[in-house]
Amino acid sequence: AQSVTQPDIHITVSEGASLELRCNYSYGATPYLFWYVQSPGQGLQLLLKYFSGDTLVQGIKGFEAEFKRSQSSFNLRKPSVHWSDAAEYFCAVDFFSGGYNKLIFGAGTRLAVHP
Amino acid sequence: GAGVSQSPSNKVTEKGKDVELRCDPISGHTALYWYRQSLGQGLEFLIYFQGNSAPDKSGLPSDRFSAERTGGSVSTLTIQRTQQEDSAVYLCASSRGTSGYTDTQYFGPGTRLTVL
Repeated sequence: AQSVTQPDIHITVSEGASLELRCNYSYGATPYLFWYVQSPGQGLQLLLKYFSGDTLVQGIKGFEAEFKRSQSSFNLRKPSVHWSDAAEYFCAVDFFSGGYNKLIFGAGTRLAVHP
Repeated sequence: GAGVSQSPSNKVTEKGKDVELRCDPISGHTALYWYRQSLGQGLEFLIYFQGNSAPDKSGLPSDRFSAERTGGSVSTLTIQRTQQEDSAVYLCASSRGTSGYTDTQYFGPGTRLTVL
């Protein structure tokens, strides 16, 4: 069955520190992967996506993610975190069936940033 | 439009009342999705529309939930006889509806529903 696991429910980092949010997926076919960010009281904003090609993808706000098929992972990284990055982050796999796409989300990782 | 919009942003209702949640997708997007975000359940798929038809209603949690889409644009999610467990944030997303894997969903700000 298709699933997404985000092992870390909460992460706290200091401003300026590097960040890595983990995501592991289970999917029978070639996965199409997304990271979304949700600020308090807001909807989901697309950070980046992986469909094919280069396994290191760049997104908005200085984020990047690396697809590793051998590890079934799609971890999100940022070299230097800003206080405005405090939010909840969701990894998702695109389950394509019946001619349309349905996103399957992980449980989310809530990021806190200390000054 | 510039993005997906949803109304109301917040809705407080009493148990047993009916509620309607509205979604305006991005102009030109033919695919529309509803998701629910609740504590303990995370983000759950509810229903998908392609144009005005809903080929997949598998995620609707009960027959109290229904949705429609008119004119290939605006969608309404209706919850009848609301229960406290219906309290959640209801998110709408739209996409171009192109065939294949590379269709990206864009989300609205959500409607926070509280059932007292």
